Amino acid sequence: AQSVTQLGSHVSVSEGALVLLRCNYSSSVPPYLFWYVQYPNQGLQLLLKYTSAATLVKGINGFEAEFKKSETSFHLTKPSAHMSDAAEYFCAALENRDDKIIFGKGTRLHILP
Amino acid sequence: EPEVTQTPSHQVTQMGQEVILRCVPISNHLYFYWYRQILGQKVEFLVSFYNNEISEKSEIFDDQFSVERPDGSNFTLKIRSTKLEDSAMYFCASSEGWGVAGVGEQYFGPGTRLTVT
Repeated sequence: AQSVTQLGSHVSVSEGALVLLRCNYSSSVPPYLFWYVQYPNQGLQLLLKYTSAATLVKGINGFEAEFKKSETSFHLTKPSAHMSDAAEYFCAALENRDDKIIFGKGTRLHILP
Repeated sequence: EPEVTQTPSHQVTQMGQEVILRCVPISNHLYFYWYRQILGQKVEFLVSFYNNEISEKSEIFDDQFSVERPDGSNFTLKIRSTKLEDSAMYFCASSEGWGVAGVGEQYFGPGTRLTVT
């Protein structure tokens, strides 16, 4: 069964520094991949998605992610962190035409002033 | 921008009681989902619903759970006899489904926090 692994349940970066949140998937067939963000007391908002059109995917709020098949990875990056980026980030996968999204455990991003 | 809404935002109930969690999906969406997130754990799929029937369900979605689309706008999750371990955040989601462009995005609601005492 498909699984999604996020390294680090908490990541802290200084404001202005690079954000890197790691995600690996288990499927031998590249799935559809997503990054969701959850701000406190809010729902899950889609940041970006990979659907095999391009390996580098740009999302909202300056985030991007690169799909690397050889590493089965889909890490999320942002060149310069902002205080408003503090939130929980979930990597997720959808296999082919399956009906369910499989989520990673989430990474809480803390931004240090 | 259209959004998925859920009510209530927080529900407290006693063990053994029935609860109904309500969702209003985005109006032109055809696929509906429930997920849950136990505190400190990952978001887990519960059930998907299309064309007035369940299309897929997880092992968590046992006979205590049911879903319904009682009218053209609401989508509900009922837990018949709640247990302590049902305490979680429950998210509703909807999507247009799979189209020519490929996978349809699932839009998530803000969640209902269910506390079973």
